[in-house]
Amino acid sequence: EAGVAQSPRYKIIEKRQSVAFWCNPISGHATLYWYQQILGQGPKLLIQFQNNGVVDDSQLPKDRFSAERLKGVDSTLKIQPAKLEDSAVYLCASSLTGGVGELFFGEGSRLTVL
Amino acid sequence: SQQGEEDPQALSIQEGENATMNCSYKTSINNLQWYRQNSGRGLVHLILIRSNEREKHSGRLRVTLDTSKKSSSLLITASRAADTASYFCATDGSSNTGKLIFGQGTTLQVKP
Repeated sequence: EAGVAQSPRYKIIEKRQSVAFWCNPISGHATLYWYQQILGQGPKLLIQFQNNGVVDDSQLPKDRFSAERLKGVDSTLKIQPAKLEDSAVYLCASSLTGGVGELFFGEGSRLTVL
Repeated sequence: SQQGEEDPQALSIQEGENATMNCSYKTSINNLQWYRQNSGRGLVHLILIRSNEREKHSGRLRVTLDTSKKSSSLLITASRAADTASYFCATDGSSNTGKLIFGQGTTLQVKP
């Protein structure tokens, strides 16, 4: 079974530029999550989708971050314009149902903002 | 805000020794999970313990949960160099949406 796929693995941009990250969850997984992990910290949930609907985006900085999950499968997370403090690893995870259960994580996309 | 707080932040032991990590959380939960993260990689699920369970085992892992103290511990027995990683506890904060809130993590180094 293929795992959660993310791209790109690494991205370096200058502040005020834009960037997009892509995630393909495990086939059949209805719930998809985007987490932000700053160096030395635990992951922080940015947004949670159930199929193509948003369940929780309370911690998503909506003035600069946006995310979509068209057709309830792949998802894209965009940052525009980027700030220095956005430097982090962006982790995508998926789960089968979104209830009680484990999350399956991708390898992450490491963003450096200069 | 982080729900769980791990203790210690860092732990260094010799191969063969046991490693114990603790997690405290703030609100009621349905379940608590532990994850491992190797350097530069994604998180991998280790074990899930429900709020009505007190102890759970999986191979060399032993997890305990004390809901009255809002705390959990992860014990890794007979550690190996390959256990070197960061370990995170995560709670659902009594949510049924599958949302997990992670702690800051414990960095474990196992010296060969």
